[in-house]
Amino acid sequence: KQEVTQIPAALSVPEGENLVLNCSFTDSAIYNLQWFRQDPGKGLTSLLLIQSSQREQTSGRLNASLDKSSGRSTLYIAASQPGDSATYLCAVGSLLRVQGAQKLVFGQGTRLTINP
Amino acid sequence: DGGITQSPKYLFRKEGQNVTLSCEQNLNHDAMYWYRQDPGQGLRLIYYSQIVNDFQKGDIAEGYSVSREKKESFPLTVTSAQKNPTAFYLCASRPRSGISGNTIYFGEGSWLTVV
Repeated sequence: KQEVTQIPAALSVPEGENLVLNCSFTDSAIYNLQWFRQDPGKGLTSLLLIQSSQREQTSGRLNASLDKSSGRSTLYIAASQPGDSATYLCAVGSLLRVQGAQKLVFGQGTRLTINP
Repeated sequence: DGGITQSPKYLFRKEGQNVTLSCEQNLNHDAMYWYRQDPGQGLRLIYYSQIVNDFQKGDIAEGYSVSREKKESFPLTVTSAQKNPTAFYLCASRPRSGISGNTIYFGEGSWLTVV
């Protein structure tokens, strides 16, 4: 059974710092890995999706890496801004037997606060 | 604009009642999902559907039921058999599996509280 862990549970840093959020998973047989952002009381917004054959993806100030052999992914945020404050969730995707459906197993998230 | 609409945003349920959460998408996605989120925790899969008139149980399906009569609609009923229904419910959709780089899209969620 896939288990996903995110450390730390909460992180507070000054504006402008570069930071890294960590995600680990127990089963390396994954289809993909996604990072999401969730604002309080809102739905999830997909930030980056890494296919199992890829090592990293970049979007603006965000860079996500994937190391299947060690069961780890990191989300790097450069030059953090107060608007980056949110909860960041990591989710590992696997294919189900039923008609090629995909299942996501989520970590508990890291609550990030960027202080002005 | 294309997206996923969930309603209502807030819902209160009395003991013994069934309630239904609506989820509509106009993204022409084949797959739809229902997740439950408890405070400070990740999401857990309740039900999913790959095509119309077919759906499968997820990890925590007990006390819930769904239907998929139309491609764009995937309502979730929280029955009286669900003993701890207070949570944040999220609906999601994605294109058919196999399309390179496909991602999942979420609605804004529905808060259900038992009173």
